[in-house]
Amino acid sequence: AQRVTQPEKLLSVFKGAPVELKCNYSYSGSPELFWYVQYSRQRLQLLLRHISRESIKGFTADLNKGETSFHLKKPFAQEEDSAMYYCALKENNDMRFGAGTRLTVKP
Amino acid sequence: SQTIHQWPATLVQPVGSPLSLECTVEGTSNPNLYWYRQAAGRGLQLLFYSVGIGQISSEVPQNLSASRPQDRQFILSSKKLLLSDSGFYLCAYETSGNTIYFGEGSWLTVV
Repeated sequence: AQRVTQPEKLLSVFKGAPVELKCNYSYSGSPELFWYVQYSRQRLQLLLRHISRESIKGFTADLNKGETSFHLKKPFAQEEDSAMYYCALKENNDMRFGAGTRLTVKP
Repeated sequence: SQTIHQWPATLVQPVGSPLSLECTVEGTSNPNLYWYRQAAGRGLQLLFYSVGIGQISSEVPQNLSASRPQDRQFILSSKKLLLSDSGFYLCAYETSGNTIYFGEGSWLTVV
């Protein structure tokens, strides 16, 4: 069963525009959710986690238990934000990832 | 400092041949270890994870197997490769704190 859903495979915005990458999850317990990012020619790496309630590179993500969502947002996208973004759910001992969204920020 | 290394980086193998991808972690002990396959349009598919030596959990029934002969070594294997095994394989580890750290990946092409 799909536990993490990222409905958009591709997302394209212009520089300076707001961006939102959607993530919905399915989990009956208290979820631990993460966003990972893979820039061109780099390793997949952690961007942020919901328990930290932090802002990394201008990105934030709020856990909405009612909507079972963990959307990633940034008010003003930059060209260097272009990358592949994965939403992930920690479930017991394993980490499950969504299909990913490729974000392209155009100049 | 903690590091993760997997090899080989690229591999071209004929159908029916065996496979061995290796992954080692340094700078930490008793990590959770993972093998993922990254495929276009399908994201990251969890293949195997291990919480300790000799303890392997398989998520997807398939032509692959995994072993953990030592605390910081994780091996992905196949006895006979299929064309459908082609893909990009990622090893990863997790320590306390729930952050996953990924290796650089291995491109496997089965011909």
